[in-house]
Amino acid sequence: ETGVTQSPTHLIKTRGQQVTLRCSSQSGHNTVSWYQQALGQGPQFIFQYYREEENGRGNFPPRFSGLQFPNYSSELNVNALELDDSALYLCASSLRVSGGTTSTDTQYFGPGTRLTVL
Amino acid sequence: KNEVEQSPQNLTAQEGEFITINCSYSVGISALHWLQQHPGGGIVSLFMLSSGKKKHGRLIATINIQEKHSSLHITASHPRDSAVYICAVTGNQFYFGTGTSLTVIP
Repeated sequence: ETGVTQSPTHLIKTRGQQVTLRCSSQSGHNTVSWYQQALGQGPQFIFQYYREEENGRGNFPPRFSGLQFPNYSSELNVNALELDDSALYLCASSLRVSGGTTSTDTQYFGPGTRLTVL
Repeated sequence: KNEVEQSPQNLTAQEGEFITINCSYSVGISALHWLQQHPGGGIVSLFMLSSGKKKHGRLIATINIQEKHSSLHITASHPRDSAVYICAVTGNQFYFGTGTSLTVIP
């Protein structure tokens, strides 16, 4: 039990729709990262938020966007859904101390949201 | 070419066997992570290391920075160790291997 929760656990959408996934970080954590894991693949880094600002982004198009709130919970928004967006979406929270970097973060993963796009 | 390569992709072992999973990477890194993912998706961080060796219970992780290689060892394997083990590195972003699916048979 990592203390990181995600909602919903499962979601079915159709092509072209928009989706919002939510992540509640472990208490006290100020950094959240989002990952996409296609079936049979390793996770792919989408982006990271630190203190409500985007702090790094992987190779994902702009229709993938995010927010981090003052309470450090987070949302992942995907617009204009495509069939290939079907995947498990994972968030992970961590505590970055002042002056720290990604390398000093231990990630605590949520259980994921499984998105199916039809 | 993936930045992180793992081997083997699949591994079946008898209970009690010593298991080794290997990870090689091609990018400059600040740290390497070993993660465990159970069916259904939940991921647990096992180790984060940037040099040397770490041990936690029956799990041992080593890293050789010069060779860009890490190994995860499981001693006295048990059926509850059955999971996917993922190697990930942090450089300018996170890069993940595709995972090693381990099945330990009683």
